[in-house]
Order: sequence, then C-alpha cells, then structure tokens
Amino acid sequence: DQQVKQNSPSLSVQEGRISILNCDYTNSMFDYFLWYKKYPAEGPTFLISISSIKDKNEDGRFTVFLNKSAKHLSLHIVPSQPGDSAVYFCAAFPGSQGNLIFGKGTKLSVKP
Amino acid sequence: EAQVTQNPRYLITVTGKKLTVTCSQNMNHEYMSWYRQDPGLGLRQIYYSMNVEVTDKGDVPEGYKVSRKEKRNFPLILESPSPNQTSLYFCASSLSLAEADTQYFGPGTRLTVL
Repeated sequence: DQQVKQNSPSLSVQEGRISILNCDYTNSMFDYFLWYKKYPAEGPTFLISISSIKDKNEDGRFTVFLNKSAKHLSLHIVPSQPGDSAVYFCAAFPGSQGNLIFGKGTKLSVKP
Repeated sequence: EAQVTQNPRYLITVTGKKLTVTCSQNMNHEYMSWYRQDPGLGLRQIYYSMNVEVTDKGDVPEGYKVSRKEKRNFPLILESPSPNQTSLYFCASSLSLAEADTQYFGPGTRLTVL
C-alpha cells in the first residue's frame, strides 16, 4: 500500500509560470516532509522540507505547503525556469522509524 | 569535497553470479541507506544502517544483504542476482536519521541482470 502518492507522473509548464507539484500521504504519523529533485544520470538532491508543525516553508522560488487535515502537500515553483526540468520526489519521514518513504516522482518539463 | 561514491557505476551480469556494489561516504555520517529506483515505482528503500554494526530492512530487502563494519562504507551484496533486480541503485547518507533533509545521494549504479 503506497503511503506517499504523487498522482501526476508528469507536468509541463511554460517558462515564467508557476509549477505546482502535488503529494498525498496516508499515514498521520508522518511528521516531516521533504522534496528531492533528480536530474538524469545523477542522484537525487534535497530541495526543501517542512515540519508537520508548520503549514508553509519558503526558500527562494520554492515554497512547500502542508495541509495536514487533507494529508496533502504541494511544491510551488515561481517563476519556473527550464533548469527546473527534472523529476521531483516527495518523501515523508515517520520520525521514530528508520524509513524515509518516497513517492513515485513527477517529471516536470519547463518549456522556454 | 563531501560526497558519496558508488562503484561500479554500470554493471551487466548474469543470473546467480554474486556481486557487490560498494558505497563510501567521507562525511563521518552515521546514517546510510540503499534505494532502488524503478520506472513507475519511484525510490524504494532496500536497507538502512543507523550506525556501525546496526542495519535494518527497508521496504524491499528480499534478495539483498548489507554490512556496516566501518562507518564510511555500506556495501550492497546480491548473493544470487535475478533479472528482477535489474534497476538503478542509489546509496545515501546523512549525519543522523533526524537529518533526513541533508541526506546526500551517490551518483547511482545501473545494474542489469541477464
């Protein structure tokens, strides 16, 4: 049973517009959420995170929103740039356990 | 330079031939982990290690072994590889389990089992 779901396998956005990547989770014990970015032929790199005690975290063009009641988080990229084209993984951290659980990823394409 | 290295980067092998993928980090991290990435399935954790001599199963441990005899190394062992283990493998490390946001990933090992 998938505990972290990224239901959109791909997303295409025009340069300069907003990219919104969505992630849903099922386990209410998750207390920390992360987004990773992955380019082809490279390992994932950490992008931004949010603790369950917050509902928003911002870092430059990247903002993550957390809606705990809906068990939903989203990553906003504004403005989107062609260099943002990558696969984005949502991940959840259950705190007391050892597993960081990843979603399947969403491939973002930002067109010039 | 802080990094996680994996070797080999690419490997083609045959069913049943034991292989080891090495992973090494130079950051004195306690927490290390192995993932596999498959199309449509994302990143799935195979094994992880909280510290030296402490390892535990992740979500998909079947067919794999690991060891953590020293802090910097965390090899992944496939005793009898099978075609369903054809995948892209990533090793990762972080200072501790609580520091998951600063988890560093290796460049990946693309394994093909014929």
